[in-house]
Amino acid sequence: DAGVIQSPRHEVTEMGQEVTLRCKPISGHDYLFWYRQTMMRGLELLIYFNNNVPIDDSGMPEDRFSAKMPNASFSTLKIQPSEPRDSAVYFCASSSLDRGYEQYFGPGTRLTVT
Amino acid sequence: EDQVTQSPEALRLQEGESSSLNCSYTVSGLRGLFWYRQDPGKGPEFLFTLYSAGEEKEKERLKATLTKKESFLHITAPKPEDSATYLCAVQGPLAGKLIFGQGTELSVKP
Repeated sequence: DAGVIQSPRHEVTEMGQEVTLRCKPISGHDYLFWYRQTMMRGLELLIYFNNNVPIDDSGMPEDRFSAKMPNASFSTLKIQPSEPRDSAVYFCASSSLDRGYEQYFGPGTRLTVT
Repeated sequence: EDQVTQSPEALRLQEGESSSLNCSYTVSGLRGLFWYRQDPGKGPEFLFTLYSAGEEKEKERLKATLTKKESFLHITAPKPEDSATYLCAVQGPLAGKLIFGQGTELSVKP
Protein backbone atom coordinates (compact mmCIF):
# COMPACT_ATOMS: atom_id res chain seq x y z
CA ASP A 1 0.00 0.00 0.00
CA ALA A 2 1.28 3.46 -0.90
CA GLY A 3 0.12 5.01 2.34
CA VAL A 4 -1.48 8.43 2.62
CA ILE A 5 -0.37 10.71 -0.19
CA GLN A 6 -0.23 14.49 0.15
CA SER A 7 0.64 17.20 -2.32
CA PRO A 8 2.39 19.49 -2.59
CA ARG A 9 5.09 18.69 -0.04
CA HIS A 10 6.12 22.32 0.21
CA GLU A 11 4.18 25.45 -0.64
CA VAL A 12 5.39 29.02 -0.44
CA THR A 13 2.88 31.71 -1.20
CA GLU A 14 2.21 35.36 -0.60
CA MET A 15 -0.35 36.70 1.81
CA GLY A 16 -3.77 36.95 0.22
CA GLN A 17 -3.27 34.11 -2.23
CA GLU A 18 -5.41 30.98 -2.34
CA VAL A 19 -3.77 27.74 -1.23
CA THR A 20 -5.07 24.24 -1.95
CA LEU A 21 -3.68 21.18 -0.23
CA ARG A 22 -4.49 17.71 -1.49
CA CYS A 23 -4.77 14.29 0.10
CA LYS A 24 -5.32 10.74 -1.08
CA PRO A 25 -6.18 8.42 1.83
CA ILE A 26 -5.31 4.74 2.13
CA SER A 27 -7.66 2.66 0.03
CA GLY A 28 -10.46 1.18 2.10
CA HIS A 29 -10.20 3.70 4.92
CA ASP A 30 -13.47 5.47 5.65
CA TYR A 31 -12.19 8.22 7.94
CA LEU A 32 -10.08 11.15 6.79
CA PHE A 33 -8.53 13.81 9.02
CA TRP A 34 -6.85 17.15 8.44
CA TYR A 35 -4.39 18.37 11.10
CA ARG A 36 -2.18 21.40 11.49
CA GLN A 37 1.08 21.26 13.44
CA THR A 38 3.08 24.17 14.83
CA MET A 39 5.70 24.42 17.54
CA MET A 40 3.43 26.60 19.65
CA ARG A 41 0.16 24.68 19.38
CA GLY A 42 1.29 21.15 18.58
CA LEU A 43 -0.95 18.89 16.49
CA GLU A 44 -4.43 20.36 16.04
CA LEU A 45 -7.36 18.57 14.43
CA LEU A 46 -9.01 20.86 11.88
CA ILE A 47 -11.77 18.68 10.43
CA TYR A 48 -12.57 15.06 9.81
CA PHE A 49 -14.79 13.09 7.46
CA ASN A 50 -16.51 9.74 7.68
CA ASN A 51 -17.61 8.16 4.40
CA ASN A 52 -16.92 11.49 2.66
CA VAL A 53 -19.23 13.42 5.02
CA PRO A 54 -17.78 16.10 7.34
CA ILE A 55 -18.37 15.04 10.94
CA ASP A 56 -16.59 17.66 13.03
CA ASP A 57 -15.20 20.93 11.70
CA SER A 58 -14.95 22.69 15.05
CA GLY A 59 -11.17 22.93 14.69
CA MET A 60 -11.31 24.97 11.49
CA PRO A 61 -9.88 28.31 12.59
CA GLU A 62 -12.13 30.59 10.56
CA ASP A 63 -14.11 30.98 7.38
CA ARG A 64 -10.95 31.32 5.34
CA PHE A 65 -10.50 27.56 5.71
CA SER A 66 -12.64 25.04 3.86
CA ALA A 67 -12.35 21.31 3.20
CA LYS A 68 -14.04 18.96 0.79
CA MET A 69 -14.10 15.25 0.14
CA PRO A 70 -15.80 14.66 -3.21
CA ASN A 71 -15.08 10.92 -3.17
CA ALA A 72 -13.46 8.22 -1.06
CA SER A 73 -10.02 8.70 -2.59
CA PHE A 74 -9.54 12.46 -2.56
CA SER A 75 -9.81 15.44 -0.24
CA THR A 76 -8.76 19.08 -0.36
CA LEU A 77 -8.08 21.72 2.26
CA LYS A 78 -8.32 25.26 0.93
CA ILE A 79 -7.21 28.50 2.53
CA GLN A 80 -8.50 31.70 0.94
CA PRO A 81 -7.10 34.25 1.50
CA SER A 82 -3.93 32.98 3.16
CA GLU A 83 -2.22 34.85 6.00
CA PRO A 84 1.28 34.55 7.51
CA ARG A 85 -0.17 32.98 10.67
CA ASP A 86 -1.36 30.05 8.55
CA SER A 87 2.25 28.96 8.11
CA ALA A 88 2.50 25.43 9.51
CA VAL A 89 2.78 21.80 8.52
CA TYR A 90 -0.55 20.36 7.44
CA PHE A 91 -1.07 16.62 7.78
CA CYS A 92 -3.72 14.37 6.35
CA ALA A 93 -4.46 11.04 8.04
CA SER A 94 -6.86 8.19 7.41
CA SER A 95 -8.24 5.32 9.44
CA SER A 96 -10.92 2.66 9.53
CA LEU A 97 -12.93 0.78 12.11
CA ASP A 98 -11.48 -2.47 10.75
CA ARG A 99 -8.03 -1.32 11.89
CA GLY A 100 -9.19 -0.12 15.30
CA TYR A 101 -9.19 3.53 14.27
CA GLU A 102 -5.39 3.62 14.05
CA GLN A 103 -4.65 6.78 12.11
CA TYR A 104 -2.02 6.67 9.39
CA PHE A 105 -0.48 9.99 8.52
CA GLY A 106 0.82 11.37 5.28
CA PRO A 107 4.20 13.12 4.97
CA GLY A 108 2.63 16.55 5.39
CA THR A 109 2.63 19.80 3.45
CA ARG A 110 4.87 22.54 4.79
CA LEU A 111 3.12 25.84 4.09
CA THR A 112 4.90 29.15 4.29
CA VAL A 113 2.91 32.35 3.78
CA THR A 114 5.02 35.47 3.34
CA GLU B 1 -13.34 18.33 28.60
CA ASP B 2 -11.27 15.51 27.13
CA GLN B 3 -7.58 16.19 27.64
CA VAL B 4 -4.18 14.56 27.22
CA THR B 5 -1.04 15.73 29.05
CA GLN B 6 2.41 14.33 28.35
CA SER B 7 5.50 14.62 30.52
CA PRO B 8 8.26 15.46 30.41
CA GLU B 9 8.25 17.85 27.45
CA ALA B 10 11.82 16.83 26.66
CA LEU B 11 14.03 13.99 27.84
CA ARG B 12 17.72 13.50 27.24
CA LEU B 13 19.21 10.06 27.84
CA GLN B 14 22.52 8.38 27.38
CA GLU B 15 22.54 5.30 25.20
CA GLY B 16 21.51 2.35 27.35
CA GLU B 17 19.86 4.50 30.03
CA SER B 18 16.30 3.20 30.44
CA SER B 19 13.44 5.57 31.26
CA SER B 20 9.69 6.16 30.90
CA LEU B 21 7.45 8.72 29.26
CA ASN B 22 4.11 9.58 30.83
CA CYS B 23 0.72 10.28 29.27
CA SER B 24 -2.09 11.37 31.60
CA TYR B 25 -5.59 11.61 30.23
CA THR B 26 -9.13 12.58 31.10
CA VAL B 27 -11.77 11.34 28.70
CA SER B 28 -15.39 10.36 29.00
CA GLY B 29 -15.38 6.75 27.91
CA LEU B 30 -11.94 5.69 26.72
CA ARG B 31 -12.16 3.68 23.52
CA GLY B 32 -8.43 3.44 22.98
CA LEU B 33 -5.07 5.02 23.79
CA PHE B 34 -2.57 5.38 20.97
CA TRP B 35 1.18 5.97 20.89
CA TYR B 36 2.93 7.49 17.89
CA ARG B 37 6.51 8.28 17.00
CA GLN B 38 7.34 11.38 14.94
CA ASP B 39 10.71 12.00 13.33
CA PRO B 40 11.66 15.54 12.22
CA GLY B 41 10.08 16.45 8.90
CA LYS B 42 7.79 13.41 8.85
CA GLY B 43 4.25 12.52 9.82
CA PRO B 44 3.50 10.65 13.04
CA GLU B 45 4.04 6.89 12.78
CA PHE B 46 1.69 4.54 14.62
CA LEU B 47 3.25 2.40 17.37
CA PHE B 48 0.61 0.90 19.69
CA THR B 49 -3.03 0.89 20.68
CA LEU B 50 -4.11 0.02 24.23
CA TYR B 51 -7.76 -0.56 25.04
CA SER B 52 -8.10 -1.43 28.73
CA ALA B 53 -6.35 -0.90 32.05
CA GLY B 54 -3.66 -3.50 32.65
CA GLU B 55 -2.95 -4.02 28.99
CA GLU B 56 0.66 -3.98 27.81
CA LYS B 57 2.24 -4.03 24.35
CA GLU B 58 5.86 -4.30 23.28
CA LYS B 59 7.86 -3.49 20.20
CA GLU B 60 11.62 -3.85 20.26
CA ARG B 61 12.88 -1.60 23.07
CA LEU B 62 9.48 -0.01 23.68
CA LYS B 63 6.76 -1.19 26.04
CA ALA B 64 3.47 0.64 26.55
CA THR B 65 1.27 0.15 29.60
CA LEU B 66 -2.15 1.52 30.53
CA THR B 67 -3.96 2.35 33.76
CA LYS B 68 -7.31 4.05 34.26
CA LYS B 69 -5.69 7.49 34.35
CA GLU B 70 -2.40 7.26 32.49
CA SER B 71 -0.15 5.39 30.15
CA PHE B 72 3.59 4.88 30.23
CA LEU B 73 5.97 4.28 27.37
CA HIS B 74 8.97 2.46 28.77
CA ILE B 75 12.19 2.59 26.78
CA THR B 76 14.71 -0.10 27.69
CA ALA B 77 18.36 0.40 26.82
CA PRO B 78 17.63 3.09 24.22
CA LYS B 79 19.77 3.69 21.17
CA PRO B 80 20.37 6.97 19.30
CA GLU B 81 17.92 5.85 16.60
CA ASP B 82 15.14 5.97 19.23
CA SER B 83 15.49 9.76 19.26
CA ALA B 84 12.16 11.25 18.15
CA THR B 85 9.06 12.95 19.48
CA TYR B 86 6.60 10.50 21.02
CA LEU B 87 2.92 11.44 20.87
CA CYS B 88 0.08 10.01 22.92
CA ALA B 89 -3.56 10.23 21.85
CA VAL B 90 -6.89 9.04 23.21
CA GLN B 91 -10.12 8.17 21.50
CA GLY B 92 -13.22 9.13 23.42
CA PRO B 93 -16.87 8.71 22.60
CA LEU B 94 -16.65 10.15 19.09
CA ALA B 95 -15.74 7.27 16.81
CA GLY B 96 -12.53 7.85 14.92
CA LYS B 97 -11.53 11.15 16.54
CA LEU B 98 -8.23 11.19 18.45
CA ILE B 99 -7.14 13.83 20.96
CA PHE B 100 -3.38 14.28 20.93
CA GLY B 101 -1.00 15.39 23.67
CA GLN B 102 1.81 17.85 23.06
CA GLY B 103 4.44 15.12 22.83
CA THR B 104 7.73 14.26 24.53
CA GLU B 105 10.90 14.99 22.60
CA LEU B 106 13.38 12.20 23.32
CA SER B 107 17.07 12.56 22.59
CA VAL B 108 19.44 9.62 23.07
CA LYS B 109 23.13 10.41 22.98
CA PRO B 110 25.77 7.78 22.16
